[in-house]
Amino acid sequence: QVQLVQSGAEVKKPGASVKVSCKASRYTFTSYSVQWVRQAPGQRLEWMAWINIGNGKTKYSQNFQDRVTITWDTSASTAYMELSSLTYEDTAVYYCAGGRDGYTSIWFDPWGQGTRVTVSS
Amino acid sequence: SYVLTQPSSVSVAPGQTARITCGGNYIGSKSVHWYQQKPGQAPVAVVYDDSDRPSGIPERFSGSKSRNTATLTISRVEAGDEADYFCQVWDSSSDHLFGGGTRLTVL
Repeated sequence: QVQLVQSGAEVKKPGASVKVSCKASRYTFTSYSVQWVRQAPGQRLEWMAWINIGNGKTKYSQNFQDRVTITWDTSASTAYMELSSLTYEDTAVYYCAGGRDGYTSIWFDPWGQGTRVTVSS
Repeated sequence: SYVLTQPSSVSVAPGQTARITCGGNYIGSKSVHWYQQKPGQAPVAVVYDDSDRPSGIPERFSGSKSRNTATLTISRVEAGDEADYFCQVWDSSSDHLFGGGTRLTVL
């Protein structure tokens, strides 16, 4: 069953902000964190940030520290990722994913279906 | 910063064994996770913690590791295994990192 459902595609102008949502199934989503990862055309997957949905604690990649904000709405079981000051290089598919504890590090499962963000003038 | 290196492509005939490598300095000391991504779809975890399989992943998928290389092995390859495969680790200097991905082509 589907556990993470993301919002639809977005087209933004350079300098604008985008906010992507990721709704978790209340009954089947058991992870304690939501991770955000993006995939630009022809590029490798790039981790952006994560949020602990229990206490709201966040951690951001240094590559996005000043431009990204992650939040969690408990009542809606929904995570949000807002990226500001968009440039053409931010054109990518943005994924949310559940974080699962591995032996020494977190792995990502399940994944949302992805949200395509296009930055175009 | 830490770097993961994967071959850009691997080709194998149906029924044969595919081996996809992921190189990294002392990767043997890290937990390695592997993902499968089919065109137009989100990634799916196929191996975590070097060699464990998530629920629902066939036993044909297995993982192993040496000091500087992790390997995803797919036995008895099927046409449906054709996809991009990514390795992932966590490193204290770089947080979560992914390899560049390997395109598996089933001949």
